[in-house]
Amino acid sequence: NAGVTQTPKFQVLKTGQSMTLQCAQDMNHEYMSWYRQDPGMGLRLIHYSVGAGITDQGEVPNGYNVSRSTTEDFPLRLLSAAPSQTSVYFCASSLGRPNSPLHFGNGTRLTVT
Amino acid sequence: ELKVEQNPLFLSMQEGKNYTIYCNYSTTSDRLYWYRQDPGKSLESLFVLLSNGAVKQEGRLMASLDTKARLSTLHITAAVHDLSATYFCAVDMENTGTASKLTFGTGTRLQVTL
Repeated sequence: NAGVTQTPKFQVLKTGQSMTLQCAQDMNHEYMSWYRQDPGMGLRLIHYSVGAGITDQGEVPNGYNVSRSTTEDFPLRLLSAAPSQTSVYFCASSLGRPNSPLHFGNGTRLTVT
Repeated sequence: ELKVEQNPLFLSMQEGKNYTIYCNYSTTSDRLYWYRQDPGKSLESLFVLLSNGAVKQEGRLMASLDTKARLSTLHITAAVHDLSATYFCAVDMENTGTASKLTFGTGTRLQVTL
């Protein structure tokens, strides 16, 4: 059981470049979300989805786009990378019940120069 | 503003000692989650607390929730080196009833020394 799979693990971008962080889960979870983790700030929610075709913004959505065409996949797009987007990005999923915690992927470490 | 505050931010403790990590949050919620993160790794779920007075225990860790005080505690009993990690609490601040929109604390980095 692979759980939540994120690719790539590491990425270096130049300012202004765009890219997509991939996230896939094989647990048939309805809920998926993207967080970024920065030193001293915990994790902050970027975007989330409560099911295929449904997405919404979290706390820090600017500069990022998402879509959810299938239950399994939830890619995060950086439209025009900025140094402020240097961070570790985590994708997570859950069943959507109160007693169901988030299951996290292994993260993508992104550096924007 | 929705806030989740943890203290201490850093904790160095000797093996065998007891200590408590505190998680305060700024709005009414009766759903709180604790996670563990090892350096350079992902987050692992430890506890799910779903009601006032909830208490969960796993090994040397015990978590509790007081929704009236907006406070959760993570108590460490007789610490061992393997517990060294960063611990996060996360709150369902908008009472969605799910873990879809969690607000995380800044984390408590625990270092257990021999």
